[in-house]
Amino acid sequence: GQNIDQPTEMTATEGAIVQINCTYQTSGFNGLFWYQQHAGEAPTFLSYNVLDGLEEKGRFSSFLSRSKGYSYLLLKELQMKDSASYLCAVLDSNYQLIWGAGTKLIIKP
Amino acid sequence: GAVVSQHPSWVICKSGTSVKIECRSLDFQATTMFWYRQFPKQSLMLMATSNEGSKATYEQGVEKDKFLINHASLTLSTLTVTSAHPEDSSFYICSARMATSGDTGELFFGEGSRLTVL
Repeated sequence: GQNIDQPTEMTATEGAIVQINCTYQTSGFNGLFWYQQHAGEAPTFLSYNVLDGLEEKGRFSSFLSRSKGYSYLLLKELQMKDSASYLCAVLDSNYQLIWGAGTKLIIKP
Repeated sequence: GAVVSQHPSWVICKSGTSVKIECRSLDFQATTMFWYRQFPKQSLMLMATSNEGSKATYEQGVEKDKFLINHASLTLSTLTVTSAHPEDSSFYICSARMATSGDTGELFFGEGSRLTVL
């Protein structure tokens, strides 16, 4: 079966750094997405990785290791507005998006 | 950036009635649109994939006669929840893939529609 694992919930302090991990087992791989979703709102796109390595975009970075079936989203200089759920999703060999259950990130002052 | 508009944002209806939700790509053409349902504190669940000019592909467990999807043009897909019941109350979200970005293109999400069935 296809499976995406990410922690259910994480807590971090404003101004700190947090890393949200995602491991996957899918039938084929055509890229991995990270989305941010605030409560009651639709997800917004954060990043797309298809090659191994680190992609940096401002305060957010995303890393991929295809051999390990592993990715992480790194958030630096955390702000209160970063409190949200972060969804990991993998595009499989049929170009279908397989979604993780999301990680709820709580930022404390 | 690309914008996907979803309407209505909120809808309250009586049990047994039908509700139509529209999903429009405002400044791009979308050959493929996706419909999701999200229950409180749960992840997105793909309901169906809608391709312009052809029948939608439904995920296992989703009743195609209850959730009617029409993708009549490259900018509009509609989801009709027929004979809605309280258990259909949920947050429905559509997303669209830009026609020019191929299969690995970024997905653009609508704002979502919250359905409450009394």
